[in-house]
Amino acid sequence: EAGVAQSPRYKIIEKRQSVAFWCNPISGHATLYWYQQILGQGPKLLIQFQNNGVVDDSQLPKDRFSAERLKGVDSTLKIQPAKLEDSAVYLCASSLGRGNTEAFFGQGTRLTVV
Amino acid sequence: GQNIDQPTEMTATEGAIVQINCTYQTSGFNGLFWYQQHAGEAPTFLSYNVLDGLEEKGRFSSFLSRSKGYSYLLLKELQMKDSASYLCAAHNAGNNRKLIWGLGTSLAVNP
Repeated sequence: EAGVAQSPRYKIIEKRQSVAFWCNPISGHATLYWYQQILGQGPKLLIQFQNNGVVDDSQLPKDRFSAERLKGVDSTLKIQPAKLEDSAVYLCASSLGRGNTEAFFGQGTRLTVV
Repeated sequence: GQNIDQPTEMTATEGAIVQINCTYQTSGFNGLFWYQQHAGEAPTFLSYNVLDGLEEKGRFSSFLSRSKGYSYLLLKELQMKDSASYLCAAHNAGNNRKLIWGLGTSLAVNP
């Protein structure tokens, strides 16, 4: 079974630039998560999708972050414009949903804002 | 409120046993996850406890006490490759089935 795919693996941008990350979850997984993980901390949920609907985006900085999940499959997370404090690893995870909540994580995208 | 606590760092010796504790406070608690995360890699699933008691999986075991809001991960016969961060996450069974993550415990296994 293929895992959660993310791209790119690494990205370096200047502050005030824009960046987008892509995630393709495990086939058949209804729930998709985007997490931000700052070095030395646990993952912080940015947004959770159930199919193509948003079920939790309470911690998403909506003035600069946006996310969409097209047709309930793959998803993109955008930051526009980026700030220095956005430097982190952005993890995408998916789970079957429907009561089975074990989340499978992608390799993550390491973003450095300079 | 919702809160989850675990020690920041632990050190142990190869071949020994180590217990990593996690306490949580969350409404609508459904279960407790443990994940392992090596430096620079994504978290990988270790265990999910819903019922009270100890669940054993090879060298790793996980314990849950729902009444005490407490869990621990027990690692036996430690190996160098067990050096990693161990994350506990409480599963909230509300409408969005949210996971509340701890900050992780960084375990260093020394020879």
